Amino acid sequence: GAVVSQHPSWVICKSGTSVKIECRSLDFQATTMFWYRQFPKQSLMLMATSNEGSKATYEQGVEKDKFLINHASLTLSTLTVTSAHPEDSSFYICSARDSTNEKLFFGSGTQLSVL
Amino acid sequence: AQRVTQPEKLLSVFKGAPVELKCNYSYSGSPELFWYVQYSRQRLQLLLRHISRESIKGFTADLNKGETSFHLKKPFAQEEDSAMYYCALSSVRGSTLGRLYFGRGTQLTVWP
Repeated sequence: GAVVSQHPSWVICKSGTSVKIECRSLDFQATTMFWYRQFPKQSLMLMATSNEGSKATYEQGVEKDKFLINHASLTLSTLTVTSAHPEDSSFYICSARDSTNEKLFFGSGTQLSVL
Repeated sequence: AQRVTQPEKLLSVFKGAPVELKCNYSYSGSPELFWYVQYSRQRLQLLLRHISRESIKGFTADLNKGETSFHLKKPFAQEEDSAMYYCALSSVRGSTLGRLYFGRGTQLTVWP
């Protein structure tokens, strides 16, 4: 079946550095991908919609300069957390929408810890 | 604005007992409702969607527009049903298709 690969699965970084998270659709093309974040024991919160070849659409309250999204190909979207701070520590999850059947598939998530 | 409410954070039942996980929503447009499940140490996966009107693993959910609810039910719970369940909402059409808004989740535990 369709798989979404998310990398890395966990990352620890120093405050002030930038971290890039990759989301790849395996065996299918995804013109649209979505990025979520999840705080401990809380729900998934939609951050942005990533569109191949165009700018991402951010949800209200999400800083676009803080969370840079690039969707340069039909199988890859990246989320870069710039100048990370401890409050950015969270679980980030991506999902990809199969262009042929509109089905959504989720990545396994990335745990980001900012020291 | 859209909102998905799952009133129960935790729900425990014994094997063979009926189970109902509640979900209420508010949305101004035409919503599509989903139930997602996350088993221990696994990724989130779709359980069912209201448009399909199907039963998956013995679970069913009916969209009640009058009560704005989409409760998940199973007549006889099994131990392997223990997981985190998320109710989610999306727009039916247009550019927002696929943008999911999740409830906080309900952790279901089925005791032997």
